[in-house]
Amino acid sequence: DIVMTQSPDSLAVSLGERATINCKSSQSVLYSSNNKNYLAWYQQKPGQPPKMLIYWASTRESGVPDRFSGSGSGTDFTLTISSVQAEDVAVYYCQQYFISPRDTFGQGTKLEIK
Amino acid sequence: EVQLVESGGGLVKPGGSLRLSCAASGFIFNKECMSWVRQAPGKGLEWVGRIKSKNEGETTDYGAPVTGRFTISRDDSKSTLYLQMNSLKTEDTAMYYCTTATYGYWGQGILVTVSS
Repeated sequence: DIVMTQSPDSLAVSLGERATINCKSSQSVLYSSNNKNYLAWYQQKPGQPPKMLIYWASTRESGVPDRFSGSGSGTDFTLTISSVQAEDVAVYYCQQYFISPRDTFGQGTKLEIK
Repeated sequence: EVQLVESGGGLVKPGGSLRLSCAASGFIFNKECMSWVRQAPGKGLEWVGRIKSKNEGETTDYGAPVTGRFTISRDDSKSTLYLQMNSLKTEDTAMYYCTTATYGYWGQGILVTVSS
């Protein structure tokens, strides 16, 4: 299985500041034939199921605010929240679906407000 | 509106069995591949398994920790997904989520506790 490792495990950011979460995969999730990275990001708020934010590493799901953006390729990826809002407090997960259906998730990064 | 509603969870002793159900509505269930994902208390997300649509042969795949003990099935006439869990272990304690295989839609989850 592909191992997904996120950093940091937690971070505290002031309202309006930028938050950056990193995700590293144990092998490339870039499929050369279509040049797509099989990488998604999820947000999970307390007591709720995960919600997909981004797929193909950088495509925002419909309805997701544009302060959320994804970048990276191959084995290294980043989720950026450009201006953190109070409602962004959550745990964020990256996920690879390169070896579908054996999808694997990162361990999660907890975002808090400073 | 898409809805996925899990049921059938609860407390079971180690070695016991439980069957979870997931009632789907708001989309064409028989065309969708469906998955189960679980989350142990305070922990991250773990893919449990997937079932393809009937047109794709209803093929199933499972994660290593549950292979041989868990079985996923579906009843398209009832738009319902199932997870039969046998030989349960304490480490199977988790919230179990039903999701479309592309993870666009999730149920609210159902808690399974395996304890003596």
